[in-house]
Amino acid sequence: KAGVTQTPRYLIKTRGQQVTLSCSPISGHRSVSWYQQTPGQGLQFLFEYFSETQRNKGNFPGRFSGRQFSNSRSEMNVSTLELGDSALYLCASSFDELEQYFGPGTRLTVT
Amino acid sequence: KQEVTQIPAALSVPEGENLVLNCSFTDSAIYNLQWFRQDPGKGLTSLLLIQSSQREQTSGRLNASLDKSSGRSTLYIAASQPGDSATYLCAVHGGNNRKLIWGLGTSLAVNP
Repeated sequence: KAGVTQTPRYLIKTRGQQVTLSCSPISGHRSVSWYQQTPGQGLQFLFEYFSETQRNKGNFPGRFSGRQFSNSRSEMNVSTLELGDSALYLCASSFDELEQYFGPGTRLTVT
Repeated sequence: KQEVTQIPAALSVPEGENLVLNCSFTDSAIYNLQWFRQDPGKGLTSLLLIQSSQREQTSGRLNASLDKSSGRSTLYIAASQPGDSATYLCAVHGGNNRKLIWGLGTSLAVNP
């Protein structure tokens, strides 16, 4: 079974631009969660989607948004990028809401 | 509010040593606790998951224990190898809110 895939793996954007990251969960997994990882803050929860509905949301500004499609693939969007948005963005999928399986991440650099 | 702390932040040991990584959490009402490994610039690999009703889990040279009443978990690595060098992260699942709360990790270096 293929693992969680994320595209693109690396991205460089300038301040003010917007970006869309994609995550394909493990086949059969309907829950997808997104996390931001920075050296100073560690891993922080962004949001979780299940069957195309956002079930939970972390404490991030409205510039961070996401969605999930009927095939469980998920995208997250960050608008009006700031330097502080530079981070590793990790996606995780889950079948039974117990164990999460992570993708390799998208490394976003904002200049 | 759940907070997860990992001690030590960094550890350097010679190959072959047995070692213990610590994770503490402030709210004992957890659903489960997971230990992950992260290699530099990479994603996370799940090592062990302990349900709230369990006391420990073992996988190969790894053993994780959970003491909910004291808010602690330990990850024991036996006979460490250079390939074990990575950052080890502990995450607590609070249940109802379906999100993981993370420690900042322990950066482990195993020297040949």
